[in-house]
Amino acid sequence: GQQVQQSPASLVLQEGENAELQCNFSTSLNSMQWFYQRPGGSLVSLFYNPSGTKHSGRLTSTTVIKERRSSLHISSSQTTDSGTYLCALEQQGGSAKLIFGEGTKLTVSS
Amino acid sequence: DPKIIQKPKYLVAVTGSEKILICEQYLGHNAMYWYRQSAKKPLEFMFSYSYQKLMDNQTASSRFQPQSSKKNHLDLQITALKPDDSATYFCASSQDWVQDTQYFGPGTRLLVL
Repeated sequence: GQQVQQSPASLVLQEGENAELQCNFSTSLNSMQWFYQRPGGSLVSLFYNPSGTKHSGRLTSTTVIKERRSSLHISSSQTTDSGTYLCALEQQGGSAKLIFGEGTKLTVSS
Repeated sequence: DPKIIQKPKYLVAVTGSEKILICEQYLGHNAMYWYRQSAKKPLEFMFSYSYQKLMDNQTASSRFQPQSSKKNHLDLQITALKPDDSATYFCASSQDWVQDTQYFGPGTRLLVL
């Protein structure tokens, strides 16, 4: 089965609302990364977060290893936040391979 | 200035032909990777290199051959192209090979007719 599952698959918000994106994984991890994929396709690294909570502006990432989940919280969403958010995990075991989820497509309307 | 350069941005190829996708990174990183994103599929790992040495190969087909002529270059040669090879190919790099942030290039969109 899928080792990395993201939810929801899509999310529609009004500008100013908050969003909580989830990533659940079924394997032990070395690290978790969150990316933003622009509508044109390029990927922007948002967080490298193997455990605990990290903040960057309006974004917060929390990884709880024991519960095998990671989340991305977006506060006060803006139309420019629209795009696809991907989580990717690096498994334990000595490979740098990232295993990606299918993504959450976020649409923020004004 | 872009720190990871991929060339070309778009590529159209004929079935059976051969193409080379170029990747150069100017981040001073020691590890480089190739990933592929096909329509409606998650990003999929292909290869990883560290200090120009192949570390991991998850591509079943030998038609895909990475080539590292310099530490900051990792090109991808694809031979005997098939329509199923149509995808966006992303190059990435990180300072260290494991447990480090990977940064992605803008991608090369390949269409095989």
